[in-house]
Amino acid sequence: EIVLTQSPATLSVSPGERATLSCRASQSVGSNFGWYQQKPGQAPRLLIYGASTRATGIPARFSGSGSGTEFTLTISSVQSEDFAVYYCQQYNKWPLTFGGGTKVEIK
Amino acid sequence: EVQMLESGGGLVQPGGSLRLSCVASGFNFNSYAMNWVRQAPGKGLEWVSTIRGTGDGAGDRIYYADSVRGRFTISRDDSKNTLYLQMSSLRAEDTAIYYCAKRGPAFYFDYWGQGTLVTVSS
Repeated sequence: EIVLTQSPATLSVSPGERATLSCRASQSVGSNFGWYQQKPGQAPRLLIYGASTRATGIPARFSGSGSGTEFTLTISSVQSEDFAVYYCQQYNKWPLTFGGGTKVEIK
Repeated sequence: EVQMLESGGGLVQPGGSLRLSCVASGFNFNSYAMNWVRQAPGKGLEWVSTIRGTGDGAGDRIYYADSVRGRFTISRDDSKNTLYLQMSSLRAEDTAIYYCAKRGPAFYFDYWGQGTLVTVSS
């Protein structure tokens, strides 16, 4: 099983600041990698797939990068609606796995 | 508009059974793999099971997480645009919100339902 390790567990940022979230895979997943956002009481929402492609309707302030085992989600200027938990996911091998999440909170 | 609506959750005793349903609309249901993903209270996301659609590429048709294999059965009725999860021998650790999720062009999840809560407790 491919283990995904997200860091940090919690990221405190002020609105307008840049946020950088990381996810490391225990073995290479190529670019078969995605990011999701989840707000309290809501279902997850797909942000990024293919490591760097924004999903439909996702604002340009969200960007994904990386390949192999190291991946990054960047929010260029955090807005109030971006405070949430973010999960990474690999779909290169079965079983499909998620990271443990990074909570982005208001500083 | 793509929509998915789960139902069937509730309180069940350890060792009991429950069947979840997910009715989908807004896309060609039989062409896409469908998935169940769960989230225990206050915890992260855990993929549970996937069933491919007809013509949905090569490979095995059904996949399970080790934690549920042999206890859960995924199925679909394409005539009703409905996905199912039959759960048996339920354990306390199966307590979670169960989400139905549609596969995108690869095995990521591009649309999610709102989830149904399953509580396993005596």
